[in-house]
Amino acid sequence: KNQVEQSPQSLIILEGKNCTLQCNYTVSPFSNLRWYKQDTGRGPVSLTIMTFSENTKSNGRYTATLDADTKQSSLHITASQLSDSASYICVVLSKAAGNKLTFGGGTRVLVKP
Amino acid sequence: DTEVTQTPKHLVMGMTNKKSLKCEQHMGHRAMYWYKQKAKKPPELMFVYSYEKLSINESVPSRFSPECPNSSLLNLHLHALQPEDSALYLCASSQDPRNTGELFFGEGSRLTVL
Repeated sequence: KNQVEQSPQSLIILEGKNCTLQCNYTVSPFSNLRWYKQDTGRGPVSLTIMTFSENTKSNGRYTATLDADTKQSSLHITASQLSDSASYICVVLSKAAGNKLTFGGGTRVLVKP
Repeated sequence: DTEVTQTPKHLVMGMTNKKSLKCEQHMGHRAMYWYKQKAKKPPELMFVYSYEKLSINESVPSRFSPECPNSSLLNLHLHALQPEDSALYLCASSQDPRNTGELFFGEGSRLTVL
């Protein structure tokens, strides 16, 4: 069964600190992996899309890594800001089963001053 | 213009009401989607339209009826809903119906069924 597991479920960090979110997947065959940021009550916004051949991709203070061999990805947030408080969702696309997106459960991040 | 616009932002309806959610995009995208999201859960796919034709229906109850009048518009007609249908309904679009590219989400319509 295709699954995307994220950890931790939630975390609290102090403003200015760094944090790393994890995503493990069993989706196969793999096409690409996306990280989305979702503020409470609003739609998800794409942070990065990574294909099989990409190991690292940055978007401002967000850096995503991908290890397609171990089927793991991480999202690193550098110098966190209060506006980083949100849910971060890992999504994997498989070209099987009609190009279906499998969503992870998300990690809820709270940045405190 | 890289926006997906959803209206209304909030909707409260009774179980006997008929209402509609609307979604619009002007990016020339050929695939449009409806997702349902409950609190603290990831979005769940409901419907996919590809080139204005319904291509995926994830076994959604018939009280939800999608409609794609043209390539820029997507509606979700609601009738005889249940309180458990209360959720955030997200519309999304993508350039490529094969879903390999960027997926743009709207801000969502928060639905409450009384």
